[in-house]
Amino acid sequence: DAGVTQSPTHLIKTRGQQVTLRCSPKSGHDTVSWYQQALGQGPQFIFQYYEEEERQRGNFPDRFSGHQFPNYSSELNVNALLLGDSALYLCASSQFKGGGNQPQHFGDGTRLSIL
Amino acid sequence: AQTVTQSQPEMSVQEAETVTLSCTYDTSESDYYLFWYKQPPSRQMILVIRQEAYKQQNATENRFSVNFQKAAKSFSLKISDSQLGDAAMYFCAYRSFYTGANSKLTFGKGITLSVRP
Repeated sequence: DAGVTQSPTHLIKTRGQQVTLRCSPKSGHDTVSWYQQALGQGPQFIFQYYEEEERQRGNFPDRFSGHQFPNYSSELNVNALLLGDSALYLCASSQFKGGGNQPQHFGDGTRLSIL
Repeated sequence: AQTVTQSQPEMSVQEAETVTLSCTYDTSESDYYLFWYKQPPSRQMILVIRQEAYKQQNATENRFSVNFQKAAKSFSLKISDSQLGDAAMYFCAYRSFYTGANSKLTFGKGITLSVRP
């Protein structure tokens, strides 16, 4: 049973560029959430996708956008990259109609470095 | 908005001994969920233990247990018989009950736990 998979593992970009990160949820899960984790900090919620729609959004600018595909996989896009976007980007999956105490399952993350 | 505070940036424990990691949170909600996640250098967030706020009994998972004090809004994690593999960053997280099973997690800044052999 495959868990949450993210690609790529590492990515190096320069300021002003655009980047796309990818996530495949755990088998049986239909909801994907994205988090940004700066070095030495806790993860910050970016947004969540279910049924190919953005359901919740954290305090992130419009430069951060996403998409969910019919197979439940998801992409995180960041435009006009800033130095401050350097972070570990985590994807988490869950079942939308699961029990309230169900945990979100996390992937290993994508380490994004902006030069 | 809910906030989670982990005021101890680092903790150290001798192998086989017990350590307690502290967490406080702030919320106006009466029902919610609390979690402790472990993040080793491999980066993957691993669920350690969870607690439903409407349950008075403290959760326990093998060597891990919590001390949940709802009135004080405190949620500490106790690790007994510490092992070298417990060395990691530990995050306390909050999730609302009312905004649905998939509402966002709000994390604290984390505590780095080192285990001395």
